[in-house]
Amino acid sequence: QVELVESGGGLVKPGTSLRLSCAASGFSFNDFYMGWVRQAPGEGLEWISYINSAGSIIYFEDSLKGRFTISRDNAQNSLFLQMNSLRVADTAIYFCARATTYYDTSTGYYRPGAFDLWGQGTMVTVSS
Amino acid sequence: EIVLTQSPGTLSLSPGERATLSCRAGQSVGTSLAWYQQKPGQAPRLLIYDASRRATGIPDRFSGGGSGTDFTLTISSLEPEDFAVFYCQHYARSPHIFGRGTRLEIK
Repeated sequence: QVELVESGGGLVKPGTSLRLSCAASGFSFNDFYMGWVRQAPGEGLEWISYINSAGSIIYFEDSLKGRFTISRDNAQNSLFLQMNSLRVADTAIYFCARATTYYDTSTGYYRPGAFDLWGQGTMVTVSS
Repeated sequence: EIVLTQSPGTLSLSPGERATLSCRAGQSVGTSLAWYQQKPGQAPRLLIYDASRRATGIPDRFSGGGSGTDFTLTISSLEPEDFAVFYCQHYARSPHIFGRGTRLEIK
């Protein structure tokens, strides 16, 4: 069936790194923009990043640039989030999601839209 | 960045009543706006995209409207399973921010 399954979360110490993975199945992964969203305990949703189908166009939350990077492997139907120099404030559930695409007539480019398919999330806890 | 302000923060209604949730953008986002529903312990679910288009499988009691800076999500007659937290998100340009959410609770 159509699904996204995240993995790689866990309990880590501040300053360390973690790589999250998202395995896609049931749809043509290489046709879609993909992204990451996180949710701190008891808080709202925070958009992190989008990556286009070829991996050549990336949108990223400015506050996370330099510490986090997004990538994908279309041959493996997988999306990744590399997180470095982790902080206590990065503690959250991290969701992988598939994005719709729309044609921006003002620029002539296809851009990412709403997230129409979500994984169940993987918990990342950063604590000393 | 384009900030989204959702109101009210909490809405208390009874099953069968009509719910109207608001999302206001700090600048125009055209119709590049989505609404999501999230229940405790679950991932968000897409309800509405492009401001007014229902996502696949979403009941027609859910409707979205608006353009530019002012948007609404309406649930015409609340069912018990509708009570949850609702978020709007714009995708007009990066960063693709979410609003802080509206909690819809049973009165």
